[in-house]
Amino acid sequence: DAGVIQSPRHEVTEMGQEVTLRCKPISGHDYLFWYRQTMMRGLELLIYFNNNVPIDDSGMPEDRFSAKMPNASFSTLKIQPSEPRDSAVYFCASSRWGPGELFFGEGSRLTVL
Amino acid sequence: AQTVTQSQPEMSVQEAETVTLSCTYDTSESDYYLFWYKQPPSRQMILVIRQEAYKQQNATENRFSVNFQKAAKSFSLKISDSQLGDAAMYFCAYGALSGYALNFGKGTSLLVTP
Repeated sequence: DAGVIQSPRHEVTEMGQEVTLRCKPISGHDYLFWYRQTMMRGLELLIYFNNNVPIDDSGMPEDRFSAKMPNASFSTLKIQPSEPRDSAVYFCASSRWGPGELFFGEGSRLTVL
Repeated sequence: AQTVTQSQPEMSVQEAETVTLSCTYDTSESDYYLFWYKQPPSRQMILVIRQEAYKQQNATENRFSVNFQKAAKSFSLKISDSQLGDAAMYFCAYGALSGYALNFGKGTSLLVTP
């Protein structure tokens, strides 16, 4: 069974540009999470979905960040406009149930110049 | 809010030796799960071991074992017979049964020397 699939693996963009990160969770997993990893702040939860419905987006840093899950097999995290401080590794993870084991994707490393 | 603290930013161990990574957490919940994840240079987060708070017996997975002290809210990871492939960042994580997401510590970087 395929794991969590994220794309792109690397993204380099200029300040002000729109960035879209994509995630395909493991089939049958009801929960999907977006985390951001930086050296300073570690792993931060941005938002999570249950059955495609956003449950908690309190970790989304600003209105520039938005996330959608139009169906059970696809989610996007969008940053518009991007800023240099958004540079980080963004992880998508899924699980069968909330506090259970998370299965992570390989992450998307974003660099905003 | 539940917090997870890893007080050792970096640790070093010689190959074949044993090392213990520390983790403490703060919670008012009685039912929860604790995890250790490994993140090698490849960046992939890999589950190492899981502990259910209601279980008194410490979890063990091959060379990896935990020392779970519920009253002290402590959850340390012991790696026995360390191997070069164990070099990675290790993250402690907490998940309340009443919640949905995991809270992670800042991580401990483990260096394994030959």
